[in-house]
Amino acid sequence: DVKVTQSSRYLVKRTGEKVFLECVQDMDHENMFWYRQDPGLGLRLIYFSYDVKMKEKGDIPEGYSVSREKKERFSLILESASTNQTSMYLCASSFGLAGDTGELFFGEGSRLTVL
Amino acid sequence: AQKVTQAQTEISVVEKEDVTLDCVYETRDTTYYLFWYKQPPSGELVFLIRRNSFDEQNEISGRYSWNFQKSTSSFNFTITASQVVDSAVYFCALSEDEANTGFQKLVFGTGTRLLVSP
Repeated sequence: DVKVTQSSRYLVKRTGEKVFLECVQDMDHENMFWYRQDPGLGLRLIYFSYDVKMKEKGDIPEGYSVSREKKERFSLILESASTNQTSMYLCASSFGLAGDTGELFFGEGSRLTVL
Repeated sequence: AQKVTQAQTEISVVEKEDVTLDCVYETRDTTYYLFWYKQPPSGELVFLIRRNSFDEQNEISGRYSWNFQKSTSSFNFTITASQVVDSAVYFCALSEDEANTGFQKLVFGTGTRLLVSP
């Protein structure tokens, strides 16, 4: 069964802490994405990557960075967590080669609370 | 820029009622894809359907059906004889060719929460 796995379902961190959210996919997909989901705002794209070591800013990159050292792994980093980063974080991947429709495969989400 | 509008924030129905979730989109692309995803309480978004812009045939899958109309830029989703297990947040999405590079990125609507009570 193909899968996108996020390392933590629930995290509680303190303001100012550095936070790592890890995501691994086993479908050999080229593209990986990090979204943030908040009530009434839907899914907003933070960062995406179309190749190893490549990254592109999405719609709301401020306060975040990413790392993609291996094709299957895409990490989201909060350098200094703030309370307004309390949210549900969703990782996704897509095929990314010729014929790609954009269909996304999602992980289960990581709910982060920053106190 | 591409945009997806789901005007219904929340819908409540009683089991066995039919319900339609609306989705309106904006795009300048001639080739694009439309999607519906379901997000149950567990949190993971589950793919329901993909439609390309050249295929306006309606689609039916069990109790689910989709009505794609390019003339009104709509891609509505109907659940017939709703069940409690249909309770979830449903997202409509549109693929966007990033700066005509061939890289496909999805733009999501804000979602519609469907509550089906027994």
